[in-house]
Amino acid sequence: SAVISQKPSRDICQRGTSLTIQCQVDSQVTMMFWYRQQPGQSLTLIATANQGSEATYESGFVIDKFPISRPNLTFSTLTVSNMSPEDSSIYLCSVADGLGQPQHFGDGTRLSIL
Amino acid sequence: GQQLNQSPQSMFIQEGEDVSMNCTSSSIFNTWLWYKQDPGEGPVLLIALYKAGELTSNGRLTAQFGITRKDSFLNISASIPSDVGIYFCAGQLGYTGNQFYFGTGTSLTVIP
Repeated sequence: SAVISQKPSRDICQRGTSLTIQCQVDSQVTMMFWYRQQPGQSLTLIATANQGSEATYESGFVIDKFPISRPNLTFSTLTVSNMSPEDSSIYLCSVADGLGQPQHFGDGTRLSIL
Repeated sequence: GQQLNQSPQSMFIQEGEDVSMNCTSSSIFNTWLWYKQDPGEGPVLLIALYKAGELTSNGRLTAQFGITRKDSFLNISASIPSDVGIYFCAGQLGYTGNQFYFGTGTSLTVIP
């Protein structure tokens, strides 16, 4: 399966600032997704990153808070904007070969907000 | 969103013992996946199931797609210390959608 690299792997940020997380895949993939995993919790889908168009957000997540880019088939970014301590989570990028196909995950970005 | 309940929430077993865990939902799913997450890493896909009643193995792991399509089961035989981690199920409602809903997770500790 594809090798998925996320940067940074972890960060500690001040409240009110923004952080952009990068997801790089070593091969072209059809689907890319962003998830949030709060401490000790399961995974929640934030949005589907669509190449060349606006991301599709799940209920409870908005573009102003989590802007997403996907300029090509191997790269996507997620920005966590105006961060607060409640945004402290692991943010995970995943990819799939097509609709309904199993997803493969990167190692995540561990984000702590002070 | 959909709620997938995993049971048990945590398990402490002796090395060499077999492990069983399950995942249940109030909705019918068309695809079930099982993942393992080690500390500091992302989830790794273990087994994918696409058909009700399907039984699929991956080494010492065996998973089944429940007949009702509302549940799935994962068994690990002869556990070893590297089986330690959190196991998540994930289900998909439709065949062509993007949304996989993840279970609450089962934390497995193997005592040498």
